[in-house]
Amino acid sequence: EIVLTQSPGTLSLSPGERATLSCRASQSVSRNYLAWYQQKPGQAPRLLIYDASSRATDIPDRFSGSGSGTDFTLTISRLEPEDFAVYYCHHYGSSTWTFGQGTNVEIK
Amino acid sequence: EVQLVESGGGLVQPGGSLRLSCAASGFTFRSNAMHWVRQAPGEGLVWVSRIQSDGSSTSYADSVKGRFTISRDNAKNTLFLQMNTLRADDTAVYFCVRDGAATIPLDYWGLGTLVIVSS
Repeated sequence: EIVLTQSPGTLSLSPGERATLSCRASQSVSRNYLAWYQQKPGQAPRLLIYDASSRATDIPDRFSGSGSGTDFTLTISRLEPEDFAVYYCHHYGSSTWTFGQGTNVEIK
Repeated sequence: EVQLVESGGGLVQPGGSLRLSCAASGFTFRSNAMHWVRQAPGEGLVWVSRIQSDGSSTSYADSVKGRFTISRDNAKNTLFLQMNTLRADDTAVYFCVRDGAATIPLDYWGLGTLVIVSS
């Protein structure tokens, strides 16, 4: 089973700033089957990025994903007020699927 | 519009059983694999189980293997999770989630149903 470790645990930023979130896998992620989700309090998660760098339907282009192998990054180019939330990375496509522990992006 | 509506959650004693259901609409249910994902209060997301579109193949997280059973009724557009020998650490919101097309993973989520395991 691939273990995903996200950093930092909390990111304190102001609207308009750039956010860079990291996700490191315990072993290489085959075919870059790595996704990112956003979750706000009391809501279900929302798919942002799949295949490490493909944006899901209706996701703004300020969200971008990059990386391969064991190191992946989610970048939010300019934070909007609605972007403050918890973000999870996710490995899929094998017999067992796993999530990182999450990064909380909070308003500074 | 894709909709996934979970039901069946509630309070159950340790060692007890519960059966969750998920009613799907707005897409061709028999064409997509489906999952259950859970989230304990204040904690992160944990994948629980997956079932192939035709029900022919299933997989489970180690923490629930042998206690939980995922199944589906494609004629009724419904996904199930039978949970037996429940423990306190099974307390969580359980989400029903659609597996997307091609390489797209968990693309549509229900709002979840809360399961509380407590005496």
